[in-house]
Amino acid sequence: AQTVTQSQPEMSVQEAETVTLSCTYDTSESDYYLFWYKQPPSRQMILVIRQEAYKQQNATENRFSVNFQKAAKSFSLKISDSQLGDAAMYFCAYRLTQGGSEKLVFGKGTKLTVNP
Amino acid sequence: GAVVSQHPSWVICKSGTSVKIECRSLDFQATTMFWYRQFPKQSLMLMATSNEGSKATYEQGVEKDKFLINHASLTLSTLTVTSAHPEDSSFYICSARKGAGSYEQYFGPGTRLTVT
Repeated sequence: AQTVTQSQPEMSVQEAETVTLSCTYDTSESDYYLFWYKQPPSRQMILVIRQEAYKQQNATENRFSVNFQKAAKSFSLKISDSQLGDAAMYFCAYRLTQGGSEKLVFGKGTKLTVNP
Repeated sequence: GAVVSQHPSWVICKSGTSVKIECRSLDFQATTMFWYRQFPKQSLMLMATSNEGSKATYEQGVEKDKFLINHASLTLSTLTVTSAHPEDSSFYICSARKGAGSYEQYFGPGTRLTVT
């Protein structure tokens, strides 16, 4: 069964510093998608970044980048120059496809606190 | 583009009554919509997947007679919680996918249901 594990329930970072959130997953597929979502206190899920497994190059979106290690099944999120608005729950997700259907499998989340 | 709305954003109902939650894709046609449930301080759990014009596919353990899902058009899916009980109190989130070739899900802002 596909699982997504986020081993850090909570993390904190000083404003302007860099923080890395970890995520590992289990799959037998060779081609798949991975996502990081942000859920601020408003509860609105916001896509932060996505990675296609067949691409070796790590995805980058402004201050957000990933370290995708396919063999190790690791997909960590690095936030550079952290801002107060980055404070939120962060969920790692794996796009599971089975028999023509699909679903997102989410990790349990990491609560990120940004200290001024 | 790709905005998803939910209505209502917050609802309180008495135990034993039914409540309907709407999910709309405002600027695109969604062939597939997903319904998630999120308990406090927990991750999102997929409840069901609905495709326009066909019956919803429910995840294991989700009561299809209790959580009725209708995807009558390409822009609207509804979730009806029937005979609600206090344990149904939760945060319900929908997401929508544009088409078969699209892998990204766009999330609504969620609906907080409180059953008294």
